[in-house]
Amino acid sequence: NAGVTQTPKFRILKIGQSMTLQCTQDMNHNYMYWYRQDPGMGLKLIYYSVGAGITDKGEVPNGYNVSRSTTEDFPLRLELAAPSQTSVYFCASSYSNSNNGYTFGSGTRLTVV
Amino acid sequence: QKEVEQDPGPLSVPEGAIVSLNCTYSNSAFQYFMWYRQYSRKGPELLMYTYSSGNKEDGRFTAQVDKSSKYISLFIRDSQPSDSATYLCAMSAIDSGYALNFGKGTSLLVTP
Repeated sequence: NAGVTQTPKFRILKIGQSMTLQCTQDMNHNYMYWYRQDPGMGLKLIYYSVGAGITDKGEVPNGYNVSRSTTEDFPLRLELAAPSQTSVYFCASSYSNSNNGYTFGSGTRLTVV
Repeated sequence: QKEVEQDPGPLSVPEGAIVSLNCTYSNSAFQYFMWYRQYSRKGPELLMYTYSSGNKEDGRFTAQVDKSSKYISLFIRDSQPSDSATYLCAMSAIDSGYALNFGKGTSLLVTP
């Protein structure tokens, strides 16, 4: 049972480039989330999805896009990368609501130069 | 005022010490309380889960919730160097839906 799998683990982007962070889960969880974690700033929610075909913005959505075509996959797209998007990105999932907590992936460390 | 407050530390203790980690919160609707452990360069992992008030014990770890004071604690007994990590508290209300409210995390270092 793999849980939540994120790829790539590390990436360096140049300003203005685009990329997709991949996230897949094999627990049949309905809810999926993307967070970014900056030093001393805690976890900030970027986007979330409550099921296939349904996504919504979190606290810091600007500069990102998501899609949810299947229950398993929830990719995060960065368009026109900026240095402010240098961060560690975590994908997470939960069966229904948040009351039992999330399962997190191991993260993608992104640097924009 | 942020909904969940957590002292970032760092907290440094000698091996074998009892560690106390704490969070305060402002939303009285929170009923589900969690502690996550995050090792360096890893994702957070769920460590303890508590519903409503009271204590929960799991091995060397005890989670305590005091809803009247809006205060939660995580105690680690006989701390080990392998406990060195960042500990994040998190909480949600029954009608929160997706929303899990995180503290910023406390960095703990247990020295041999």
